[in-house]
Amino acid sequence: QSALTQPASVSGSPGQSITISCTGTSSDVGGYNYVSWYQQHPGKAPKLMIYDVSKRPSGVSNRFSGSKSGNTASLTISGLQAEDEADYYCCSYAGSSTYVFGTGTKVTVL
Amino acid sequence: QVTLKESGPALVKPTQTLTLTCTFSGFSLSTSGMRVSWIRQPPGKALEWLARIDWDDDKFYSTSLKTRLTISKDTSKNQVVLTMTNMDPVDTATYYCARVYGGTYFDYWGQGTLVTVSS
Repeated sequence: QSALTQPASVSGSPGQSITISCTGTSSDVGGYNYVSWYQQHPGKAPKLMIYDVSKRPSGVSNRFSGSKSGNTASLTISGLQAEDEADYYCCSYAGSSTYVFGTGTKVTVL
Repeated sequence: QVTLKESGPALVKPTQTLTLTCTFSGFSLSTSGMRVSWIRQPPGKALEWLARIDWDDDKFYSTSLKTRLTISKDTSKNQVVLTMTNMDPVDTATYYCARVYGGTYFDYWGQGTLVTVSS
């Protein structure tokens, strides 16, 4: 499986909204409503932020939201804060109990 | 409270076999629906899913690495073991274990263990 495609970097000023895209194929993103998003700060383990395309785990800020259209999923961070500066990875179920991650996006808060 | 922790050698030589152990608490792999995966991340690079083991001992592997990987579990010890044969410097990475919830996402992760492959 090829990695899902994400922009290498996205930046925004505090308070702004940014959107990170995650493009796959009909065999992964487009084929299942099982896209999840992970936040990773330097030297730390990934943290689940969104699951099943748009669901938020308990404790995750409602500033994080997810959506999907066709083969592309998106993560939107609204009201950008300094603590949101991190790497973000999407992940999709790819059938036959396998998974594929995205290439990763570095979010910079200006 | 769910926790996972990876353990294993920090350094392996090329061609050797790597054995990593994931010790977890807060859930049981004998409970229906429970699953654990291994995921790795080379320095400065993206995450890569490696393998998954289920409560019923079903096992699934990355297509590109399946010939080198074996995943197993010891339910009595709350452990999942991953072996990877014929290690190469490109396998240098932080290896994570994570609980798989509902079969669709990774809700709890270990802290990761860095494995360097070098002679």
